[in-house]
Amino acid sequence: TQLLEQSPQFLSIQEGENLTVYCNSSSVFSSLQWYRQEPGEGPVLLVTVVTGGEVKKLKRLTFQFGDARKDSSLHITAAQPGDTGLYLCALHPGGTSYGKLTFGQGTILTVHP
Amino acid sequence: DTAVSQTPKYLVTQMGNDKSIKCEQNLGHDTMYWYKQDSKKFLKIMFSYNNKELIINETVPNRFSPKSPDKAHLNLHINSLELGDSAVYFCASSQFRRDEQFFGPGTRLTVL
Repeated sequence: TQLLEQSPQFLSIQEGENLTVYCNSSSVFSSLQWYRQEPGEGPVLLVTVVTGGEVKKLKRLTFQFGDARKDSSLHITAAQPGDTGLYLCALHPGGTSYGKLTFGQGTILTVHP
Repeated sequence: DTAVSQTPKYLVTQMGNDKSIKCEQNLGHDTMYWYKQDSKKFLKIMFSYNNKELIINETVPNRFSPKSPDKAHLNLHINSLELGDSAVYFCASSQFRRDEQFFGPGTRLTVL
């Protein structure tokens, strides 16, 4: 079973600070997704990364896929209180297991005004 | 214009009872999923249906039985509820072989 390790588990920062969340796999994965979940809501897809070394930007969020396709990171620049939430990375296996997402443990981010 | 909806939002019940959670999606997707999120926020897939056919069935107790009457609906029936079943259950949908899954708002189940 392919495992995903996400770190840190908790992150509490002040508005304006930068932060990085990491997601590491025990083996190579075909694609990886990042989701954000707000309290009382379901996860919402932020991005899918597929190619080794790929970098995607979504406003102040930068997503990177490691060259070896075993790790990914999410960097937030100048965090705002609205960024508060649970950030989840998820493996998308492809092939016959299509749709069977495997999630990391999540990072609970709190941005204080 | 709700995309994926679940009812009820909250469910509080006694051990040993049987309960159902309903899910509906109006996105025209052909694949639907049930996930369980525990108290530590760990999210794990339970079942998936594609065109009313079960395609993913993880190691879940037999007390959990999903039913898909049509492509837009996926229900979850739980028999003989146990304390450990307390969690938030999420329904999701996607188009088969497409990346993005759309999640419902979740049903918080509390078993007393």
